[in-house]
Amino acid sequence: SQTIHQWPATLVQPVGSPLSLECTVEGTSNPNLYWYRQAAGRGLQLLFYSVGIGQISSEVPQNLSASRPQDRQFILSSKKLLLSDSGFYLCALGQSNQPQHFGDGTRLSIL
Amino acid sequence: DAKTTQPTSMDCAEGRAANLPCNHSTISGNEYVYWYRQIHSQGPQYIIHGLKNNETNEMASLIITEDRKSSTLILPHATLRDTAVYYCIVRVALGGNEKLTFGTGTRLTIIP
Repeated sequence: SQTIHQWPATLVQPVGSPLSLECTVEGTSNPNLYWYRQAAGRGLQLLFYSVGIGQISSEVPQNLSASRPQDRQFILSSKKLLLSDSGFYLCALGQSNQPQHFGDGTRLSIL
Repeated sequence: DAKTTQPTSMDCAEGRAANLPCNHSTISGNEYVYWYRQIHSQGPQYIIHGLKNNETNEMASLIITEDRKSSTLILPHATLRDTAVYYCIVRVALGGNEKLTFGTGTRLTIIP
């Protein structure tokens, strides 16, 4: 079965520090991968999606970037975090004829 | 994508059926209705989806009106663990390349 691993589960970072959140998936090959962000009390916002290694599409302009160095690895990064980067970050996996599935997320607090 | 409208919150007694409505009056003929739920501090969990026929699985039933402008998610025997935010989404394609747009959903509270 497909599994999505996200870590860390929670993270507290100071403003201006770098960020690296990792998502790895198991039980699948060549998946579409997604990064979403959910601000407190809000719906999910799609940040990035990837259809393959090295292929990244950005949905909104922002302070973040994404990379896909391996088929089952998706990384969300920032060189300098802003207060507005706080939120709940979710990695999701999609494949043909299957509904999208989500990881358990990383809760990021910027101080 | 068609927009959806859901009540902000609902309560349901434990053991009763929870009926969550969703309006999607601008839905196109090739758009599916998806339901997800999000329990506090977890990622969204897929529940069920449908195109025009009613659907049932081990978690819930989905009733879609004949004109497809609204649907109802039914949890037949609600338990305390069903307390969550429920999202109704309409989207073209069943394939995994869909970019889902989540609104604020319905916060369902199951009352003991």
